[in-house]
Amino acid sequence: QSALTQPASVSGSPGQSITFSCTGTSTDVGGYTYVSWYQQHPGKAPKLMIYAVSHRPSGVSNRFSGSKSGNTASLTISGLQAEDEADYYCSSYTSGNTWVFGGGTKLTVV
Amino acid sequence: QVQLQESGPGLVKPSETLSLTCTVSGASISRNYWTWIRQAPGKGLEWIGYIYYSGSTNYNPSLKSRVTVSVDTSKNQFSLKMNSVTAADTAVYYCASVDMSQLDFDYWGQGTLVTVSS
Repeated sequence: QSALTQPASVSGSPGQSITFSCTGTSTDVGGYTYVSWYQQHPGKAPKLMIYAVSHRPSGVSNRFSGSKSGNTASLTISGLQAEDEADYYCSSYTSGNTWVFGGGTKLTVV
Repeated sequence: QVQLQESGPGLVKPSETLSLTCTVSGASISRNYWTWIRQAPGKGLEWIGYIYYSGSTNYNPSLKSRVTVSVDTSKNQFSLKMNSVTAADTAVYYCASVDMSQLDFDYWGQGTLVTVSS
């Protein structure tokens, strides 16, 4: 199985909205609604931010939203804040009853 | 609140077997699927494999020949064994729970660094 494709880096200014993409295939992202997104700050464990494409766990800010079209999922952060600076990973369940991650996107808030 | 804690040697010699245990608290290990994920230094996340309390497992095809995940329900623990390790297996290893209705990784351990070196 191949890793999902994410841009290596994205930058934005406080208050802006930014969108991350995550591209897979019909055997993972395109074939299921089981796409999730994780935020990881340096030296910390990943934290679940979005599950099932567009749902937020309790306690996650409503500034985070997710969507999917075809084989590409997206994570949008609105009203960017300095604390959002982190690495973001997408993940998808696959037809092989496995999971696959994207390579991760480093968000810089400038 | 579900909590997970990884434990095991931080240094393993090349060609030997890496062994880690994840202790689950705040939930019965019979409640969910449980998984191992790793992250090489400066790299992204890599899914390793999962186990259900019944013993059902599946693994990343790229690691399948070297990995075994097992469960000990009496201790509320699950474990990872990876044989024939090389320097490429140096990584932070995380254990996590899998929400079986949404198929995401909802709770994570803090991670443990395993270095493969002689």
